[in-house]
Amino acid sequence: GAGVSQSPRYKVAKRGQDVALRCDPISGHVSLFWYQQALGQGPEFLTYFQNEAQLDKSGLPSDRFFAERPEGSVSTLKIQRTQQEDSAVYLCASSLGGTSWYNEQFFGPGTRLTVL
Amino acid sequence: QKEVEQDPGPLSVPEGAIVSLNCTYSNSAFQYFMWYRQYSRKGPELLMYTYSSGNKEDGRFTAQVDKSSKYISLFIRDSQPSDSATYLCAMSEGYGGATNKLIFGTGTLLAVQP
Repeated sequence: GAGVSQSPRYKVAKRGQDVALRCDPISGHVSLFWYQQALGQGPEFLTYFQNEAQLDKSGLPSDRFFAERPEGSVSTLKIQRTQQEDSAVYLCASSLGGTSWYNEQFFGPGTRLTVL
Repeated sequence: QKEVEQDPGPLSVPEGAIVSLNCTYSNSAFQYFMWYRQYSRKGPELLMYTYSSGNKEDGRFTAQVDKSSKYISLFIRDSQPSDSATYLCAMSEGYGGATNKLIFGTGTLLAVQP
């Protein structure tokens, strides 16, 4: 389909391992967001890209979290030295961006990360 | 205190009932108000959005925003079992700046019993 896709859908990591989560946004979407959703909670903002530029990373919880979007399309969220508190669903969303007064964010299905 | 507060429920209603879901917020800079629906193990999908105060209706769904009270609501008429999901309110300050991040409530788990 033409929606946002994420891979892997499920990831189990041992504490201390590094993980990489991938997001394929809708083709042509300028803006890309990462959110973290803990069990029983709403999504929380992590970081935002406009094309390849990371314009807001205020939500990244620590310097173990790193995101990139080198060619302005696919994005990768990397977590180094995973901890148990990193266990959550990581959601990616994309939107058309630009100067429109409203841009709907379309969400992917998420990657469920479990750190043992 | 969180910027957006939402009763997590769970809320259980019989089929055909009117459902009322609510959120309160503290940031007076929020201008865009959204309701997302999230089925189990799926990403959130947008139901409705409203700019500033007022009402908006779409089929069985009505969204209300009262900025003076910092209070938003979603009403679902003639609820169906297929409406069973988690409902998330979300807000943002605007779309002209460098970031259009959404601030979500906790989500309310709704179960519509046949």
